[in-house]
Amino acid sequence: EIVMSQSPATLSVSPGERATLSCRASQSVGSSLAWYQQKSGQAPRLLIYGASTRATGIPARFSGSGSGTDFTLTITSLQSEDFAVYYCQQYSSWPLTFGGGTKVEIK
Amino acid sequence: EVQLVESGGDVIQPGGSLRLSCAASGLTFSRSAMNWVRQAPGKGLEWVSGISGSGGDTYYADSVKGRFTISRDNSKNTLYLQMNSLRAEDTAVYYCAKRSWGFDSWGQGTLVTVSS
Repeated sequence: EIVMSQSPATLSVSPGERATLSCRASQSVGSSLAWYQQKSGQAPRLLIYGASTRATGIPARFSGSGSGTDFTLTITSLQSEDFAVYYCQQYSSWPLTFGGGTKVEIK
Repeated sequence: EVQLVESGGDVIQPGGSLRLSCAASGLTFSRSAMNWVRQAPGKGLEWVSGISGSGGDTYYADSVKGRFTISRDNSKNTLYLQMNSLRAEDTAVYYCAKRSWGFDSWGQGTLVTVSS
């Protein structure tokens, strides 16, 4: 099983600032990496797939990078609606696995 | 627009059984790989099970293998999760999700509570 690790667990950021979230896989997943946003009481929403491709309707301030085992989600100029929990997920091999999440909170 | 609507969540005693359903619309269901993902209260996301569009291939997390069965009825555009021998640690919101590159559509979830 591929273990996904996210850091930090919590990130305190001021509105308008940049947030950088990390995700590491225990073995290579190539570019088979997705990022999701989840707000309280809501289902997750796909942000990024293929490590760097934005899903339909996702604003350009969200960007993903990386390949192999190390990945980054960057949110430039954080808006109020961006404060949420973010999860990475590998879909390279079964079982599919999620990281533990990074909570982005208002500083 | 893709819509996924889960149902069947309930309060059930340990050792009991429950079947969840996910009704899909706005997509070619028989061509869509589908999955179940759960989230225990206050915890992160955990992938549970997946099934190919034809239903011929199924996959399970180790935590549910041998107890849960995923299936689908393409004539009814419905995904199922049969859950047997339920344990307290199965308590969670269960989401169905359509898989393409990542999970691009999610239902609103249905709550399963395993408690005596």
